[in-house]
Amino acid sequence: DVVMTQSPLSLPVTLGQPASISCRSSQGLVHSDGNTYLNWFQQRPGQSPRRLIYRVSNRDSGVPDRFSGSGSGTDFTLKISRVEAEDVGIYYCMQGRHWPHTFGQGTKLEIK
Amino acid sequence: QVHLVESGGGLVKPGGSLRLSCAASGFTFSDYYMTWIRQGPGKGLECIAYISGSGTDIHYVDSVKGRFTISRDNAKNSLFLQVDSLRADDTAVYYCARKAREPEGWGQGTQVTVSS
Repeated sequence: DVVMTQSPLSLPVTLGQPASISCRSSQGLVHSDGNTYLNWFQQRPGQSPRRLIYRVSNRDSGVPDRFSGSGSGTDFTLKISRVEAEDVGIYYCMQGRHWPHTFGQGTKLEIK
Repeated sequence: QVHLVESGGGLVKPGGSLRLSCAASGFTFSDYYMTWIRQGPGKGLECIAYISGSGTDIHYVDSVKGRFTISRDNAKNSLFLQVDSLRADDTAVYYCARKAREPEGWGQGTQVTVSS
């Protein structure tokens, strides 16, 4: 199975400051259809996961533009330009290229 | 607007069975792959099965092969997961989502607890 490794696992951030989460896959994620199936999800306390970013850098509808995704090959990054209180939660990367589709361990973002 | 509602979870003894359901609305259900994802207590997320819109393309993760069966009824806009031979490590919240490679519109989940 493809292993998705996130870092850091804990991310204390001051309100208004930027945050960055790294995700590394053990295999490349480019499909023969040309797409790179790397997603980012946010899980707020007590809620279901919500997709934020798909195919590396495409923001979902309703996701604030302070969230951005980048990367290629096996190295990907989720950035939050200015952290707000509502961003507290656990962030997961997920690959949809190789079955079984797999998630990273999660990065817990908290406010300092 | 994707709207998914899971149901059918509960407390079951080891070796028992349940049938989980996912009611879909807000989109043309038969046009989409659907997937089941679970989250164990204090654990991460695990994709366990997916099914194509027509129901002909089905995949399972190894840990549930032979015990779980995914299916769908496009006439009723419903997705199902028959879970048999349940074990303690199947205890989790089970979510359905639209699409397999980039799951979206997750439901609120249904809790399955396996305990004697």
